[in-house]
Amino acid sequence: EAQVTQNPRYLITVTGKKLTVTCSQNMNHEYMSWYRQDPGLGLRQIYYSMNVEVTDKGDVPEGYKVSRKEKRNFPLILESPSPNQTSLYFCASKGRWYQDTEAFFGQGTRLTVV
Amino acid sequence: DQQVKQNSPSLSVQEGRISILNCDYTNSMFDYFLWYKKYPAEGPTFLISISSIKDKNEDGRFTVFLNKSAKHLSLHIVPSQPGDSAVYFCAASETEAAGKSTFGDGTTLTVKP
Repeated sequence: EAQVTQNPRYLITVTGKKLTVTCSQNMNHEYMSWYRQDPGLGLRQIYYSMNVEVTDKGDVPEGYKVSRKEKRNFPLILESPSPNQTSLYFCASKGRWYQDTEAFFGQGTRLTVV
Repeated sequence: DQQVKQNSPSLSVQEGRISILNCDYTNSMFDYFLWYKKYPAEGPTFLISISSIKDKNEDGRFTVFLNKSAKHLSLHIVPSQPGDSAVYFCAASETEAAGKSTFGDGTTLTVKP
């Protein structure tokens, strides 16, 4: 089954404790992206990757890091999480960045930073 | 500066009637638009899209209309069904902008039986 898998689904952590949210897709997609969803703000793009070893900032990259060492995985790293990073996070992928096609989303990771 | 806006946070319609969800954008460089549907505890799923070279695209009960001069698009659902109750996101992108996508805030649609 074609899918985007995020782990964990839920995470509660403390301020400053480094964490990684993993994202994996099995569709051989070149393009992957991370979003956060906050009430009243919709989905905002954090980082995206057009291919292996190619990443770029979205609209809200501050406080986040990403890496794309292999095509299927695109982890989101919070080196020092803060309460304002409490949010619902979605990973997405699509075939190629320049294609006018839809993105496939993971089920989301609800992160709470206390 | 929010480039994609869905001005109605919520919409309630009766089963069988038409649902119209609206989306406005400010960036004239956007040339591809999509609608996603999101159920609670799930990720968004693609619904329908439209390229700026068209003004209408249909897929079953779903039709998207694009008015480029007004920088406005709308999603029509006819007839509406209770299973359509979800949050609908409008998204826009520029083909030349190398991968960036901009989403609206979402509209929560409730279809009453």
